[in-house]
Amino acid sequence: SAVISQKPSRDICQRGTSLTIQCQVDSQVTMMFWYRQQPGQSLTLIATANQGSEATYESGFVIDKFPISRPNLTFSTLTVSNLSPEDSSIYLCSVEDGGFAFGKLFFGSGTQLSVL
Amino acid sequence: GIQVEQSPPDLILQEGANSTLRCNFSDSVNNLQWFHQNPWGQLINLFYIPSGTKQNGRLSATTVATERYSLLYISSSQTTDSGVYFCAVVGAGGTSYGKLTFGQGTILTVHP
Repeated sequence: SAVISQKPSRDICQRGTSLTIQCQVDSQVTMMFWYRQQPGQSLTLIATANQGSEATYESGFVIDKFPISRPNLTFSTLTVSNLSPEDSSIYLCSVEDGGFAFGKLFFGSGTQLSVL
Repeated sequence: GIQVEQSPPDLILQEGANSTLRCNFSDSVNNLQWFHQNPWGQLINLFYIPSGTKQNGRLSATTVATERYSLLYISSSQTTDSGVYFCAVVGAGGTSYGKLTFGQGTILTVHP
């Protein structure tokens, strides 16, 4: 399975600022996915990041608030902009395994964001 | 969109006990996965099981796609099994295995 490195692992940010989260995969993958987990809640898909094209956002998430970059097949960033306390969540990147573990989704260790 | 319901929401066990977690989904699926989120937040993929039965050590899972449910069995539970168990699916019309809809999870606590 793919090894996914995500950083930072946690951060505390001031209201109105932005945080950029990085996700690095040890193999080339077509699609990368960004999820949000609000405190005590389940996971919700934010967007799908394809290399060479704009990210596709799910209902309720917009590019101005969650800009995503995907410069190559092993790396992506998610920026959470104009932070408010409601953005305090765990943000996770994930990738599909197209090989032996076909159909499985694997996750990075997550970024715990707290907004003051 | 597809709805995913998990039960029970909470489960407390003594070490060594067995348990069954259930996942009901509202429509046909072409992908169903079970995850364990440990107390440190790490999500571990346990099974990819859109149908049939699979076993991995003390864990096994069964999905009855025609009846729209899946079960996760944990035998001889250990304290390290504690955490949140999520069921997640992709509806039959979906084209990407990464675009999962998650249930609300079952919080499992195993006491020594």
